[in-house]
Amino acid sequence: DIQMTQTPSSLSASIGDKVTITCRASQSISVYLNWFQQKPSKAPELLIYGASRLHSGVPSRFSGSGSGTEFTLTINALQPEDFATYYCLQTFSTPWTFGQGTKVEIK
Amino acid sequence: QVQLMQSGGELKKPGASVKVSCKASGYIFSNHGISWVRQAPGQGLEWMGWIGAYTGNTNDAQKFQGRLTMTAEQSTNTVYMELRSLRFDDTAVYYCARNRSVYSGGHQYTLDVWGQGTMITVSS
Repeated sequence: DIQMTQTPSSLSASIGDKVTITCRASQSISVYLNWFQQKPSKAPELLIYGASRLHSGVPSRFSGSGSGTEFTLTINALQPEDFATYYCLQTFSTPWTFGQGTKVEIK
Repeated sequence: QVQLMQSGGELKKPGASVKVSCKASGYIFSNHGISWVRQAPGQGLEWMGWIGAYTGNTNDAQKFQGRLTMTAEQSTNTVYMELRSLRFDDTAVYYCARNRSVYSGGHQYTLDVWGQGTMITVSS
């Protein structure tokens, strides 16, 4: 199974900050990497697929980059509605595997 | 609009089985597979497996093999997930999500629409 290591597990940031979350795969997954946002008691929502493709309706302050084993989700100019937990997911091979999650909290 | 509507929460005893439904609307059912993802209380997300809505073919994570059955009913646009021999650590919110085929550096899948989740509690 491909292991996805997501860092940090949590971070504190202020409105307007730039936030970066990293996901590292235990083997190359090309660009078969997705990012999701989850708010408390809600289902996850797709942000990014194909490592860098913005899902329809997602604000442009979200961006993704990377390929192979190292991937990054960047949130530019953090907004109040961005405080949530973020997960990466690889769909390169089954079983698909998620990172452990990064909780973004208000500083 | 595209929606996945799941059945309600259930309380089960250890050793019992549970069957969760996921009814799709707003798109051509047979064009997309459905994945199941679960989340234990306070924990992260865990992919369980997926089913092709047209073919009925399944692919599930090895840890669930022998306990997990996924079926698709085209007449009602509904996918079912049955988990047997329930254990305390099966307590979780279970989500269905639509598999969407995309092309980005290769043909791949993403999970673009999610159900609202179904809480399954296993308790004696």
